[in-house]
Amino acid sequence: GESVGLHLPTLSVQEGDNSIINCAYSNSASDYFIWYKQESGKGPQFIIDIRSNMDKRQGQRVTVLLNKTVKHLSLQIAATQPGDSAVYFCAENMGDTGRRALTFGSGTRLQVQP
Amino acid sequence: DARVTQTPRHKVTEMGQEVTMRCQPILGHNTVFWYRQTMMQGLELLAYFRNRAPLDDSGMPKDRFSAEMPDATLATLKIQPSEPRDSAVYFCASGLATQTGWSGYTFGSGTRLTVV
Repeated sequence: GESVGLHLPTLSVQEGDNSIINCAYSNSASDYFIWYKQESGKGPQFIIDIRSNMDKRQGQRVTVLLNKTVKHLSLQIAATQPGDSAVYFCAENMGDTGRRALTFGSGTRLQVQP
Repeated sequence: DARVTQTPRHKVTEMGQEVTMRCQPILGHNTVFWYRQTMMQGLELLAYFRNRAPLDDSGMPKDRFSAEMPDATLATLKIQPSEPRDSAVYFCASGLATQTGWSGYTFGSGTRLTVV
């Protein structure tokens, strides 16, 4: 499948460890954020979202943290599994929620070592 | 699970030929997006439609690209004439825009276009 980005930052973790993927966003007016996972040869897949009135949101094995003060978003994956290996994108809605398309970051490649 | 369907999955064409990519959005979604993904540029927004009307196509080269929604179940992206630099994976996504935000911003599996 296509490799997304020649110079993607890469996070390499051992199976079973927790992973933290970080994302800095640029627009202080951004009010909605989504994390996507993209496996080789597939389209981006929704993982979890968070609105700007929240600091934290949890899903199954994943947690998203939002720090609006420093415009930082993180995705935590608990007990990382080989199937979590993929490129992860954060996406932001730059205000006017629902009226504009999401803007995507450049992505982080997660490699899970067995 | 509801999904966005794109055809074809792969397309190889010669430079100068017309290429048409199709997308069936999720039923009930009111917004359809076209993105292009390359190794160097990542995910780029080309255009999007709200209730079948074009909302923003500023990311799309106007001289050779065109996007339409003939009906609520079909979106098309056309390149004429195609050039080698158009080689990329083209994604369609659909979502439901509400007063409180997005619901179900979902991507299709993409069309991998190679122009030789």
